[in-house]
Amino acid sequence: QKEVEQNSGPLSVPEGAIASLNCTYSDRGSQSFFWYRQYSGKSPELIMFIYSNGDKEDGRFTAQLNKASQYVSLLIRDSQPSDSATYLCAVNKRTGTASKLTFGTGTRLQVTL
Amino acid sequence: KAGVTQTPRYLIKTRGQQVTLSCSPISGHRSVSWYQQTPGQGLQFLFEYFSETQRNKGNFPGRFSGRQFSNSRSEMNVSTLELGDSALYLCASSPTFDRGNQPQHFGDGTRLSIL
Repeated sequence: QKEVEQNSGPLSVPEGAIASLNCTYSDRGSQSFFWYRQYSGKSPELIMFIYSNGDKEDGRFTAQLNKASQYVSLLIRDSQPSDSATYLCAVNKRTGTASKLTFGTGTRLQVTL
Repeated sequence: KAGVTQTPRYLIKTRGQQVTLSCSPISGHRSVSWYQQTPGQGLQFLFEYFSETQRNKGNFPGRFSGRQFSNSRSEMNVSTLELGDSALYLCASSPTFDRGNQPQHFGDGTRLSIL
């Protein structure tokens, strides 16, 4: 079982719709969770992070965390063509003075006109 | 505020050579992590440095090494290069190693091609 799992996609949504990206993780000791966006040929760019159960909203983006189900998701409202990218879920676990961030392989999102 | 700076941006080497990549973190950030990204494996964690000490290491062979200087700048070295080392190498920095509310920010990466 992979530590962080994402559906590779592509996930295709029409412009203006809600895109829902999902991620599951295997380590119950994971403490904080991140969503990065990566355009082709570019480096990952932080979108949001969350560490408490529930929802966290930032503009058109909402991150949702359910630690009991080991599930984190990212909702993108009013999807735009510029949102077309690969979205990486990352899970952090700190043990003492060490911290390790594990990434999923990403979900490719395509927003169609 | 300047972002994470990685040099060089592109590098072409041949098998058996060695290479050193450089990373300057965001000002004030003391934690630097390195990742390898390939189409097949995604983003793989190499190692993390904080206060000039390696705090964590991923599952890579000993040919991959790194260090951090007192100004928090970091270098990564790969010796005896193999074709499979062709990848995008990313550096990320954060204020400390506690990423509860201090996420990492990535540089633009160094694209290494091995011939």
